[in-house]
Amino acid sequence: KAGVTQTPRYLIKTRGQQVTLSCSPISGHRSVSWYQQTPGQGLQFLFEYFSETQRNKGNFPGRFSGRQFSNSRSEMNVSTLELGDSALYLCASSRRTGGEEQYFGPGTRLTVT
Amino acid sequence: GESVGLHLPTLSVQEGDNSIINCAYSNSASDYFIWYKQESGKGPQFIIDIRSNMDKRQGQRVTVLLNKTVKHLSLQIAATQPGDSAVYFCAEKYSDSWGKLQFGAGTQVVVTP
Repeated sequence: KAGVTQTPRYLIKTRGQQVTLSCSPISGHRSVSWYQQTPGQGLQFLFEYFSETQRNKGNFPGRFSGRQFSNSRSEMNVSTLELGDSALYLCASSRRTGGEEQYFGPGTRLTVT
Repeated sequence: GESVGLHLPTLSVQEGDNSIINCAYSNSASDYFIWYKQESGKGPQFIIDIRSNMDKRQGQRVTVLLNKTVKHLSLQIAATQPGDSAVYFCAEKYSDSWGKLQFGAGTQVVVTP
């Protein structure tokens, strides 16, 4: 069974631009959660989607948004990029909503210059 | 996946010995816990989970122990191998925070021959 896939794997953007990251969950998994990982803050929860609905959101500004499609694939968008948005963005999928048994993808390494 | 900014404790273990990685969690209302392993350049890999109504759970070469009295979680790895070298994270799910995992800072495990 294929794992969680994320595209692109690496991305370099300039301050002020916007970016869209994509996540395909494990087949049969309907929940997708997004996390940001930085050296200074560690792993922080961004949001969770299940059945195309956002179920919970972390403490991030409104520049961070996401959505989920009917096939459970998810995208997250960051607008007006700041240098501090440079991070590894991780997507995790699970069969059910609620946060249990989450399996992570390899992440997208975003560098903002 | 390196958390350089955070002060990561390091556990040095000799190959073949047993490892014990400790984690103090924050919320007495947390009802679910997971251990992840993250190798450099990869996303976190699910190791084992445990619900709050259990004290112990065993997997292949790993055991998780939960002490709710002192809010302490530990991961024991039997017969540690060089491939076990990685950063290990514990994560907790608050019972009232749907879909969100709260991650610890992580422990760097270094296996020496």
